[in-house]
Amino acid sequence: KAGVTQTPRYLIKTRGQQVTLSCSPISGHRSVSWYQQTPGQGLQFLFEYFSETQRNKGNFPGRFSGRQFSNSRSEMNVSTLELGDSALYLCASSLAGLQETQYFGPGTRLLVL
Amino acid sequence: AQKITQTQPGMFVQEKEAVTLDCTYDTSDQSYGLFWYKQPSSGEMIFLIYQGSYDEQNATEGRYSLNFQKARKSANLVISASQLGDSAMYFCAMREGNAGGTSYGKLTFGQGTILTVHP
Repeated sequence: KAGVTQTPRYLIKTRGQQVTLSCSPISGHRSVSWYQQTPGQGLQFLFEYFSETQRNKGNFPGRFSGRQFSNSRSEMNVSTLELGDSALYLCASSLAGLQETQYFGPGTRLLVL
Repeated sequence: AQKITQTQPGMFVQEKEAVTLDCTYDTSDQSYGLFWYKQPSSGEMIFLIYQGSYDEQNATEGRYSLNFQKARKSANLVISASQLGDSAMYFCAMREGNAGGTSYGKLTFGQGTILTVHP
């Protein structure tokens, strides 16, 4: 089975621009979660989508949004980029349920100049 | 209060020795899951081991085992027979349950422990 894929792997943007990141989950996984990783804040939960619905949201401003399509692929959008948005963005997919493991993709490294 | 605490920013171990990475957690839920992930310098998070709050036995996966002490709220990772390829950042994470299941997709991570394996 193919793993979680994320595109693009690397991205350079300037302040004020917007960016869209894509995540394709493992086949059969309907839950997709997004995380931001920075040296200062560590790994922080952004949001989770399950069956095209946002099921849970972390403590991030409204500039961060996402969606999930009927094939479970998910996109994350950040508008009006700020320098502090520079981070590794990780996507994870899992089956439904508390005991299910989240499997992560390779991440997208975003640099905002 | 921190939900997941990893008190060791860095650890060193000799190749072929065992090492324990500490993790304590805080939750009021009765049902929760604990996970350990490895993150090499490439950035990808690799799942290592899972322990459910109702599991009576400590989880084991190959060279990895989890020392689960529920009353003390600790879930330490033990790596036996360390290898050079084990050098990486290690994260402890928790998934809490609730009646509606809406938090299932959220993992809360600790700050991580950098493990260096010396030859």
